[in-house]
Amino acid sequence: DGGITQSPKYLFRKEGQNVTLSCEQNLNHDAMYWYRQDPGQGLRLIYYSQIVNDFQKGDIAEGYSVSREKKESFPLTVTSAQKNPTAFYLCASTQWGQGGYSNIQYFGAGTRLSVL
Amino acid sequence: AQKITQTQPGMFVQEKEAVTLDCTYDTSDPSYGLFWYKQPSSGEMIFLIYQGSYDQQNATEGRYSLNFQKARKSANLVISASQLGDSAMYFCAMRDLAQGGSEKLVFGKGTKLTVNP
Repeated sequence: DGGITQSPKYLFRKEGQNVTLSCEQNLNHDAMYWYRQDPGQGLRLIYYSQIVNDFQKGDIAEGYSVSREKKESFPLTVTSAQKNPTAFYLCASTQWGQGGYSNIQYFGAGTRLSVL
Repeated sequence: AQKITQTQPGMFVQEKEAVTLDCTYDTSDPSYGLFWYKQPSSGEMIFLIYQGSYDQQNATEGRYSLNFQKARKSANLVISASQLGDSAMYFCAMRDLAQGGSEKLVFGKGTKLTVNP
């Protein structure tokens, strides 16, 4: 079954702690994305990556870091510098560069992060 | 920058009836793409339908159709024969250029649809 797997489903962060959210895809997609969703809001882009070993900041990158060492994996670290991390985090992927339907972003089931 | 506006925070519909969810957009690009996603209470974003700005016909996917009015910059989602399982948040989104030249999706704030039995 092809898809995007995010783990854990729920995550709790203590003050001053860094936490890492996992995102794995087996769709052979080139591009991967991290979005943040706050209650009553749409999604906002944190980071994205078009190819391995390359990634770009999105609209709200401060306090977050990512890596892309493998095509299928794009973990997101929420650092202690992110002062308001409580949110729902969604990972997405797409086949980059073909336009039209090929640029549909497919999403994982998300991770809910809360601060203890 | 692109902007998506969804003016209906919540909508109610009777089972088996049709419902229209509104979406207006703002862009100066002649080429653009519009998407609708469904987000059930479980949280996953599910792709429903896509409309390209140069597509001659309105997009349809099963019970979903997109009422695309280019001059009005609107891309309303029509769900026919509503089912209880259609109860969810619905988001309209548009492709936009991200920093570095890649693409990202810009989302509206969503509409919560409740289907009553």
